[in-house]
Amino acid sequence: QQQVKQSPQSLIVQKGGISIINCAYENTAFDYFPWYQQFPGKGPALLIAIRPDVSEKKEGRFTISFNKSAKQFSLHIMDSQPGDSATYFCAALNDYKLSFGAGTTVTVRA
Amino acid sequence: EAGVAQSPRYKIIEKRQSVAFWCNPISGHATLYWYQQILGQGPKLLIQFQNNGVVDDSQLPKDRFSAERLKGVDSTLKIQPAKLEDSAVYLCASSLEIAGSYEQYFGPGTRLTVT
Repeated sequence: QQQVKQSPQSLIVQKGGISIINCAYENTAFDYFPWYQQFPGKGPALLIAIRPDVSEKKEGRFTISFNKSAKQFSLHIMDSQPGDSATYFCAALNDYKLSFGAGTTVTVRA
Repeated sequence: EAGVAQSPRYKIIEKRQSVAFWCNPISGHATLYWYQQILGQGPKLLIQFQNNGVVDDSQLPKDRFSAERLKGVDSTLKIQPAKLEDSAVYLCASSLEIAGSYEQYFGPGTRLTVT
């Protein structure tokens, strides 16, 4: 069964806009929550990650918001650029193993 | 620093044939992973090695899939015999050590088409 549920499946945003991707989990044993970015024909690459004892982490235009009580976390891409067009995967780590969400394809229109 | 290398990049085979994929992780990375990524889905872990030992292979269909990492460096993943539902991208990843498993470095993958 899918341990991490991700939405939406795809989204289109105008250049300069904000992209928001949401993920939810059930397993409270997860102890690390990374986000990966994947371009066509490439493998996923780590974008940003957060531990469950932190509510927010920001790196440049990318921010993770984490709600431990709701078992939800989200990725915000501020000032979206055409180069951000990619598929984004949330993931959760337990016992040194990553479980990935199904992915969100983000298209940034110039 | 060179990234994770995989070959071949593409492979087309008929069902019931066999196929093998090769992976060379980043130098010095002790932990190696094989994932299956079906179109429109996230990567699914098949097997995880720590050096040349298997840490987890609970999701590996052992009746047809096998993997090895004999010298703790390169790894091969084999499918024999292939089924139509094995069509996917097979990704190899590595991390410096198992404690750093949240930060994995992925190769470009091998796209397998089974006809």
